[in-house]
Amino acid sequence: DSGVTQTPKHLITATGQRVTLRCSPRSGDLSVYWYQQSLDQGLQFLIQYYNGEERAKGNILERFSAQQFPDLHSELNLSSLELGDSALYFCASSVGTGGIEQFFGPGTRLTVL
Amino acid sequence: GESVGLHLPTLSVQEGDNSIINCAYSNSASDYFIWYKQESGKGPQFIIDIRSNMDKRQGQRVTVLLNKTVKHLSLQIAATQPGDSAVYFCAEPPYNFNKFYFGSGTKLNVKP
Repeated sequence: DSGVTQTPKHLITATGQRVTLRCSPRSGDLSVYWYQQSLDQGLQFLIQYYNGEERAKGNILERFSAQQFPDLHSELNLSSLELGDSALYFCASSVGTGGIEQFFGPGTRLTVL
Repeated sequence: GESVGLHLPTLSVQEGDNSIINCAYSNSASDYFIWYKQESGKGPQFIIDIRSNMDKRQGQRVTVLLNKTVKHLSLQIAATQPGDSAVYFCAEPPYNFNKFYFGSGTKLNVKP
């Protein structure tokens, strides 16, 4: 158990819909990272937050957004969902901002029908 | 594009043999690398890291080698066990808030 929790574990929705994925980092970790993992794309970095502020942005679509709250939990919002958004979404956390030794959550499996 | 990548998508080894997983990177300024292991249905798990001022670093049954001349690193697993079956990623953490890159992954299959 990495100490990072993600909810829900599975999510099934329809195209055009909006969903919110939730992540709670390890106790003491200030950075939260979001990743998308699909079969043909591997693990893709989406975005990083540190202590409530956005710190790095990767291959995140404009339809996606994220935020980190004062209690350090983070949410990833996915809107206008398309079939291609079906993937595993992982959250990770680390103490600092440099991405060193990230601890990953169990992931949320999103299926868009 | 990504600055790290893996040479082989799948590697099959016999239980008890040593495994070598390779990774190439393109950014010569990179000075820190991490290897992750991802078992089926789980999130990636940190294995070992190495800084560019080192050529070699050893952990428990794992060794990472870094060749800065050819921008290549490898993960060696000694006496591979069935529990080592997983996908292995090399990763290049962000500095100055740049993108964080993962290699596409190598799947290690350990045959009993």
